[in-house]
Amino acid sequence: GIQVEQSPPDLILQEGANSTLRCNFSDSVNNLQWFHQNPWGQLINLFYIPSGTKQNGRLSATTVATERYSLLYISSSQTTDSGVYFCAVEAWSGGSNYKLTFGKGTLLTVNP
Amino acid sequence: KAGVTQTPRYLIKTRGQQVTLSCSPISGHRSVSWYQQTPGQGLQFLFEYFSETQRNKGNFPGRFSGRQFSNSRSEMNVSTLELGDSALYLCASSLLRSEDGELFFGEGSRLTVL
Repeated sequence: GIQVEQSPPDLILQEGANSTLRCNFSDSVNNLQWFHQNPWGQLINLFYIPSGTKQNGRLSATTVATERYSLLYISSSQTTDSGVYFCAVEAWSGGSNYKLTFGKGTLLTVNP
Repeated sequence: KAGVTQTPRYLIKTRGQQVTLSCSPISGHRSVSWYQQTPGQGLQFLFEYFSETQRNKGNFPGRFSGRQFSNSRSEMNVSTLELGDSALYLCASSLLRSEDGELFFGEGSRLTVL
């Protein structure tokens, strides 16, 4: 099956710093999403981005499908940005089936 | 617009018991998929239902099963619980098939098996 690798696994920042999270995937994908998992476990949608670039406030994301990677940019980080960020790709898994495969996540800690 | 609703949020069971988890998708969404999250294995796909039919199933034993009703609500069942089934179970809904659009997740059901 498809492999999804996220880097770095852990990241510690001071409030106000910028960061880039990376997601590499091993095969063609139908779509790609970035999520932030809140302390209660819910996955909060950040971006649905199978290709191209999107921005939402201090966050932006770019997916280069032909090169099989996506980047999540966080600017002027805040303590509330802390948590685990997941990249997930929807890819063909055989026959007419597709499934969502997650990376292992990046644990971001933003210190005041 | 209500989000994805999962019940119960927390539950404790003992080995050998069975459990049923419920997921109500966003109104109008026809696809529901289930995922298991554990510290060791991360987030893993369990199965997806679309229009009451199971479309795909992950690599889990037959003790894990599910179904979807005509109103798109879904349930998953785990029989003969094992300690390793302790996990956060997440449900996601999408408007069409999962590969055709964005997925939205519920808050999860946290299962502890003693």
